Amino acid sequence: NAGVTQTPKFRILKIGQSMTLQCAQDMNHNYMYWYRQDPGMGLKLIYYSVGAGITDKGEVPNGYNVSRSTTEDFPLRLELAAPSQTSVYFCASSHSGPQFFGPGTRLTVL
Amino acid sequence: QQQVKQSPQSLIVQKGGISIINCAYENTAFDYFPWYQQFPGKGPALLIAIRPDVSEKKEGRFTISFNKSAKQFSLHIMDSQPGDSATYFCAASNPRQTGANNLFFGTGTRLTVIP
Repeated sequence: NAGVTQTPKFRILKIGQSMTLQCAQDMNHNYMYWYRQDPGMGLKLIYYSVGAGITDKGEVPNGYNVSRSTTEDFPLRLELAAPSQTSVYFCASSHSGPQFFGPGTRLTVL
Repeated sequence: QQQVKQSPQSLIVQKGGISIINCAYENTAFDYFPWYQQFPGKGPALLIAIRPDVSEKKEGRFTISFNKSAKQFSLHIMDSQPGDSATYFCAASNPRQTGANNLFFGTGTRLTVIP
């Protein structure tokens, strides 16, 4: 099993550009999550999904969108990138227990 | 608003010593308290977790102590080793309420174990 995979590893965006962060898991987990990690702030939940076709907002959803068309994939969309979205983004998945995290995507918006 | 407060921000311990990291929470609906370990450039990995029906859980050199009345929990790392040098996050959630295991994280503690 590859676990949770994320692409790309790094990305630099210009203000106003859009992009999609990809996340996939091969553990057949129902639940998937997106977090952002900022220095000294811990991780904050952006969006989560309890299954294909079902998503909901977390603590910090503004400026992001998600979709969940399959059990395996949970992409995160940034429509109009802003400097405040410079962060490291982690995707995670779980069944009913602990979450398993991907390696992260480091995004810089200039 | 930080739902889980963590201290200290950084910690330096001699090899063989005990590392102690503390967390506090306000939401009494939380019923799952994990600790995550994160190495530079990697995602967090679950270290150990506890539910509030027990006051202590031990796995190898790692122990969680839980004080429900004080709404506090802590991680103790016994016989700390240089390989334990990492950032540690406490977290809390209420999976029975939301269905999903949405975690609220502390701000992290950077542990350095000196050989």
